Amino acid sequence: EPEVTQTPSHQVTQMGQEVILRCVPISNHLYFYWYRQILGQKVEFLVSFYNNEISEKSEIFDDQFSVERPDGSNFTLKIRSTKLEDSAMYFCASSEAGPIYGYTFGSGTRLTVV
Amino acid sequence: QQPVQSPQAVILREGEDAVINCSSSKALYSVHWYRQKHGEAPVFLMILLKGGEQKGHEKISASFNEKKQQSSLYLTASQLSYSGTYFCGTATVYSGGGADGLTFGKGTHLIIQP
Repeated sequence: EPEVTQTPSHQVTQMGQEVILRCVPISNHLYFYWYRQILGQKVEFLVSFYNNEISEKSEIFDDQFSVERPDGSNFTLKIRSTKLEDSAMYFCASSEAGPIYGYTFGSGTRLTVV
Repeated sequence: QQPVQSPQAVILREGEDAVINCSSSKALYSVHWYRQKHGEAPVFLMILLKGGEQKGHEKISASFNEKKQQSSLYLTASQLSYSGTYFCGTATVYSGGGADGLTFGKGTHLIIQP
């Protein structure tokens, strides 16, 4: 069964450092998403991406965050200057055709900011 | 605005039934249901689109009442493998090409005991 692949699985970084989280969505999917989940809490929407541009973003997704699809397969989330409160599990998801199809989530990257 | 899920937690004996509810104050286009086991990514269960329908997936089914903007997930004859946190995700607008990110509820923790 097709999978969404995320790397790395764990990342520890110092406050103020930049991190890039990587995702390889399912190949025939057109819609890509980043979500985050602080330990024990709900899954929070960050950003959606379609046709090589951001289509929607949440209040969490401020100027410190950016997304890119640098080539035909990777989808990245960059946090420019990490803060302690950015510590969370970050999930990438993809969908064949937006919210009328189910999302397939990757296994996540656990980001710890120290 | 996030959907409201109830109950927050359910403890069942194997074989018992459960109902998890999800409601929104906004007009919904679609409702998704996901199950997340501890330390894992959310896994897609099913999607319901506006128009009011009911779907089934083995012993798990769901309904969507468009008038009330409510969805319910039904788990019958629960199995140990059903344990986890169940999230509903709602999409309020589908702009026919725009990728609206789902907003998830806080989740319902389901514990199945032998």
